[in-house]
Amino acid sequence: IAGITQAPTSQILAAGRRMTLRCTQDMRHNAMYWYRQDLGLGLRLIHYSNTAGTTGKGEVPDGYSVSRANTDDFPLTLASAVPSQTSVYFCASSEQGADTGELFFGEGSRLTVL
Amino acid sequence: GQNIDQPTEMTATEGAIVQINCTYQTSGFNGLFWYQQHAGEAPTFLSYNVLDGLEEKGRFSSFLSRSKGYSYLLLKELQMKDSASYLCAVKDSNYQLIWGAGTKLIIKP
Repeated sequence: IAGITQAPTSQILAAGRRMTLRCTQDMRHNAMYWYRQDLGLGLRLIHYSNTAGTTGKGEVPDGYSVSRANTDDFPLTLASAVPSQTSVYFCASSEQGADTGELFFGEGSRLTVL
Repeated sequence: GQNIDQPTEMTATEGAIVQINCTYQTSGFNGLFWYQQHAGEAPTFLSYNVLDGLEEKGRFSSFLSRSKGYSYLLLKELQMKDSASYLCAVKDSNYQLIWGAGTKLIIKP
């Protein structure tokens, strides 16, 4: 049982570098999300996708981009990393229209930008 | 603006009962979630309330009052493994989740 797989689990990155965080789900959920979690703050939505081929901006989209070429994959790209993007990133998925629409989370990717 | 408030940290004793409160002000309401998150791990789903009242699931119960914008998570017979952060989240009128900052629960023997 895999659920949601994120890679890498941890990465140290120089400022200005490009970085892609990978996310793959095997539950065939239609919706996928990228959140960042910082100490003392709630989870903040970066981007989301309600279905393959569509994406939308969340609360904190600047500096990030996503794509949803198929149902299973939802990569998050930092075009030019900055230190304020140091955070733990969680990918999640849900089946919209289900009773609760609960989110299932990946294990997270800890990113440090120096 | 939209806001979810919950205490930053709580301490309780093993075997006791603890209640974690969550108040919310959101544009619309389409359900309230509680998630558990152990340090260094991903959040995991605990409960979902969309109607007023109490939902019981084993040692955990969750209560909702939509008129008061209020929910609580009740944990009974506390165990050391219940030490974690508990996240409250509300689904707003656009079906987007608004998250509280979480309550860190410390269980002492």
